[in-house]
Amino acid sequence: IAGITQAPTSQILAAGRRMTLRCTQDMRHNAMYWYRQDLGLGLRLIHYSNTAGTTGKGEVPDGYSVSRANTDDFPLTLASAVPSQTSVYFCASSDLPLQVVSTGELFFGEGSRLTVL
Amino acid sequence: QKEVEQNSGPLSVPEGAIASLNCTYSDRGSQSFFWYRQYSGKSPELIMSIYSNGDKEDGRFTAQLNKASQYVSLLIRDSQPSDSATYLCAVRLISGGGADGLTFGKGTHLIIQP
Repeated sequence: IAGITQAPTSQILAAGRRMTLRCTQDMRHNAMYWYRQDLGLGLRLIHYSNTAGTTGKGEVPDGYSVSRANTDDFPLTLASAVPSQTSVYFCASSDLPLQVVSTGELFFGEGSRLTVL
Repeated sequence: QKEVEQNSGPLSVPEGAIASLNCTYSDRGSQSFFWYRQYSGKSPELIMSIYSNGDKEDGRFTAQLNKASQYVSLLIRDSQPSDSATYLCAVRLISGGGADGLTFGKGTHLIIQP
């Protein structure tokens, strides 16, 4: 089934460790996004990419980095994990950059639950 | 500062009744509006999108948009226990400087009582 695949689905990580969350989509969508979801705070955008080779910062980018070497993959890296990065991380994609009116549905992956101790 | 506000609930509605979910947004430049449903432990899934003032109906769901009042709502008719979930309002702004994703409200937890 076409869609977005995230890995790992769940991970416990020691503080200070480096971690990369993987995201792959097979829908040939131009735009991809990383959100984190925390109880009481909702979904917040971390980083986004309009197209391969470009990335941008969202609402909560500190402590995270991304790359977009090709259309399908959009990994999220925590260089040195801290307990405040304990969260559920969702990767999402859409078929066009969101400047275009009347489009913008996001397709979400199943999420990666990360616990930093 | 972009803000999307929702009542967190829980909103409890009897089975078969109409559930009404509301959302306000702060940025008058907002162009596209979405309602996502999220079951516990699952990812959000789109149930409605609306771009113009007025009503848009899809089965038991009706989205309503009033840009002058900066207000968007979702009505669920003939509510079923399977409608019990958290409903996320999402808004997209054409920033002009680049796509920056959707801004989500914190969600309203809806409980349909059998």
